[in-house]
Amino acid sequence: DQQVKQNSPSLSVQEGRISILNCDYTNSMFDYFLWYKKYPAEGPTFLISISSIKDKNEDGRFTVFLNKSAKHLSLHIVPSQPGDSAVYFCAASAASGTYKYIFGTGTRLKVLA
Amino acid sequence: DVKVTQSSRYLVKRTGEKVFLECVQDMDHENMFWYRQDPGLGLRLIYFSYDVKMKEKGDIPEGYSVSREKKERFSLILESASTNQTSMYLCASSLTGTGYGYTFGSGTRLTVV
Repeated sequence: DQQVKQNSPSLSVQEGRISILNCDYTNSMFDYFLWYKKYPAEGPTFLISISSIKDKNEDGRFTVFLNKSAKHLSLHIVPSQPGDSAVYFCAASAASGTYKYIFGTGTRLKVLA
Repeated sequence: DVKVTQSSRYLVKRTGEKVFLECVQDMDHENMFWYRQDPGLGLRLIYFSYDVKMKEKGDIPEGYSVSREKKERFSLILESASTNQTSMYLCASSLTGTGYGYTFGSGTRLTVV
């Protein structure tokens, strides 16, 4: 059973526009969420995080929104750049007794110049 | 610069061979993880370790074993490689506690022929 879901396997966006990547989760115990970015033949790199005590976290062009009642988070990239083209994974963890993250299946973002 | 280092970027092995994938981290992290990444399936946890000589099964441990004799080193062992183990293997490490994400290695692309 997939506890963290990224229902869009791919997304194409024009350079300069907003990219919105979505992630849904089923486990209400999850309280810390991460986004990772992965280029081909490289390991994932950390992008941005959010704790369940917040509903928004911003870092430069990247903003993550968390809707706990809907068990949904989204990553916004504004403005999108060709270098943002990568696979994006969301991951979730429950603080109590675990340090293990469950990853979604990933969304491949392509930013068109 | 803190690092997780995987010993090989690309590896080709024959069916039935015993395969060792090595991972070393220099951040004094307690936790280490092995994931595999496959298209459409995201990152799936094979095994993890939260202390030296300790290990726990992840979601897909069948056909794999691990060894953690020293804090900085976590090895993944394919006892008898099979073609369905062809994949990208990613090692990660983390501190224990809320809010600590993973640091990933660059990955090993294993092909079993």
